[in-house]
Amino acid sequence: NAGVTQTPKFQVLKTGQSMTLQCAQDMNHNSMYWYRQDPGMGLRLIYYSASEGTTDKGEVPNGYNVSRLNKREFSLRLESAAPSQTSVYFCASRMGQGGVFPQHFGDGTRLSIL
Amino acid sequence: DQQVKQNSPSLSVQEGRISILNCDYTNSMFDYFLWYKKYPAEGPTFLISISSIKDKNEDGRFTVFLNKSAKHLSLHIVPSQPGDSAVYFCAASGAGGGADGLTFGKGTHLIIQP
Repeated sequence: NAGVTQTPKFQVLKTGQSMTLQCAQDMNHNSMYWYRQDPGMGLRLIYYSASEGTTDKGEVPNGYNVSRLNKREFSLRLESAAPSQTSVYFCASRMGQGGVFPQHFGDGTRLSIL
Repeated sequence: DQQVKQNSPSLSVQEGRISILNCDYTNSMFDYFLWYKKYPAEGPTFLISISSIKDKNEDGRFTVFLNKSAKHLSLHIVPSQPGDSAVYFCAASGAGGGADGLTFGKGTHLIIQP
């Protein structure tokens, strides 16, 4: 049982390039999330999808877009990468909304923008 | 403005003794509090949670205490083991405003010394 799988694990981009971070979960969870973690900081919510077909902004959505492709997959796209987007990106999923359902995280994508 | 605060960046404890990690919050709308453990180069792993209507939850060596009037929670690990060395994040759910997702503190690096 893989849980939450993120690809790629590492990526280096040049300023202005675009890329898509992939996330898939095999736990039949309804809700999925994208966070970023910067050095010395906690995780901050970028976007989330409460259920298939819906997406909503989190705390730091600027510069990102998301797609909930199906129940399993939730992708994060950087259209024009900026150095300020250098970070570790975590995808998470949970059965439903609300704190009674803990979120399960992938191992992250380490992204550097030069 | 940080809504979840972990004021100790690091904590060193001897193996076999009790580890106490602290967390403060400002948003009275939070309805669930969660603790996550994170090893380097891995995603956060869910440890234990507590509902805002309770004051204690216990799971094996881990106990979380909630003092709602003081807006304070703590995680107790007894006895501490070498494998407990990790970064511990306090997180809160249900901030209101219709947004889903977790609000994280900056983390406390727990070091268990032999």
